[in-house]
Amino acid sequence: KAGVTQTPRYLIKTRGQQVTLSCSPISGHRSVSWYQQTPGQGLQFLFEYFSETQRNKGNFPGRFSGRQFSNSRSEMNVSTLELGDSALYLCASSPPPGQGYTEAFFGQGTRLTVV
Amino acid sequence: AQRVTQPEKLLSVFKGAPVELKCNYSYSGSPELFWYVQYSRQRLQLLLRHISRESIKGFTADLNKGETSFHLKKPFAQEEDSAMYYCALSGSGYQKVTFGTGTKLQVIP
Repeated sequence: KAGVTQTPRYLIKTRGQQVTLSCSPISGHRSVSWYQQTPGQGLQFLFEYFSETQRNKGNFPGRFSGRQFSNSRSEMNVSTLELGDSALYLCASSPPPGQGYTEAFFGQGTRLTVV
Repeated sequence: AQRVTQPEKLLSVFKGAPVELKCNYSYSGSPELFWYVQYSRQRLQLLLRHISRESIKGFTADLNKGETSFHLKKPFAQEEDSAMYYCALSGSGYQKVTFGTGTKLQVIP
């Protein structure tokens, strides 16, 4: 079974630009979550989607948005980029309920650098 | 609300010394607790979950509901244990997984 796939792996953008990151979950997983990982703040939750609906949202400004498609693939968008948005963005998918446990499977992340 | 607290950002131990990575949680029901690990240049992956009560790579973690803790322990640290460790919680019947901010374990040779 293919793992969680994130594209692109690396991005360099300038301040003020916008960026879209993509995540393809494991086949059959309907829950997709996004996290921002930085050395100083660790792993911070951005949002979670389930069946195309945003189910939870973290404490990030409105410049961070996302969506999920009918095939469970998800995209994350950051507008008006700031230097502080430089981070590793991780996507994780989880299996559907009823499988006995909830585990998050992570992609390798997209390394975003804002210059 | 679900919350996971890892009080230490960095834990340095000597090779062969015992390791304890602390994790405290807040959840009103019966949670599922996990430890995830991220080795250098690898993806974040599950290390162990409390319901399976297993030892993985010499690590164990016991859920203490009275103290709402799920500390990760290993009796003798090895250099290859150096990594970032995240404690995580999931509420029963719900898929959202809440992570702590992580502890970097550094094993000194």
